[in-house]
Amino acid sequence: DTGVSQNPRHKITKRGQNVTFRCDPISEHNRLYWYRQTLGQGPEFLTYFQNEAQLEKSRLLSDRFSAERPKGSFSTLEIQRTEQGDSAMYLCASSLVGWEPQHFGDGTRLSIL
Amino acid sequence: AQSVTQLGSHVSVSEGALVLLRCNYSSSVPPYLFWYVQYPNQGLQLLLKYTTGATLVKGINGFEAEFKKSETSFHLTKPSAHMSDAAEYFCAVRLNRDDKIIFGKGTRLHILP
Repeated sequence: DTGVSQNPRHKITKRGQNVTFRCDPISEHNRLYWYRQTLGQGPEFLTYFQNEAQLEKSRLLSDRFSAERPKGSFSTLEIQRTEQGDSAMYLCASSLVGWEPQHFGDGTRLSIL
Repeated sequence: AQSVTQLGSHVSVSEGALVLLRCNYSSSVPPYLFWYVQYPNQGLQLLLKYTTGATLVKGINGFEAEFKKSETSFHLTKPSAHMSDAAEYFCAVRLNRDDKIIFGKGTRLHILP
């Protein structure tokens, strides 16, 4: 069990640029979740996948956000035309099945200049 | 709609003293409840969970929590605080066993020497 891996750990970019984050879940975990965490807040659900199928998207996930999990293994989260308000920690979690506890990665911290 | 309220964004206790972190939930059906801990610049780690059965749940690092349906509470306790317990703690609720998790805003625990 190598844990959930997220890359990069930190991303600094200028407003208006596109960014992409990657999440490698624990091997054989079917569920993969994305959360956003801002300072002083708990993680907020963004979206989740069952294998390669995206099953639910939060209203927080605007049209500028897109997530994929093409082969049911790793996932990417892309933010287009970044805005100041996108600055946050983006957390990925995975679980073997939906009712099992979620294992979290260490997150990608995004800073928008 | 389900929600979680954590009372006190910051809690300070002396080393060796009792730790009590409060959590109240709102759910129209019996919930699944969790406590997670987050150390600086890291992801979340599951401390304990309540699904069904015994209402007193024991977790890692000496923590435990009690589900009280009549009070809609799931407070986290530890008999004797250790310096290494200093972290942020999140209470979370899941409506169904196969649903997304809703987190509270978190309580930062400070341990005084």
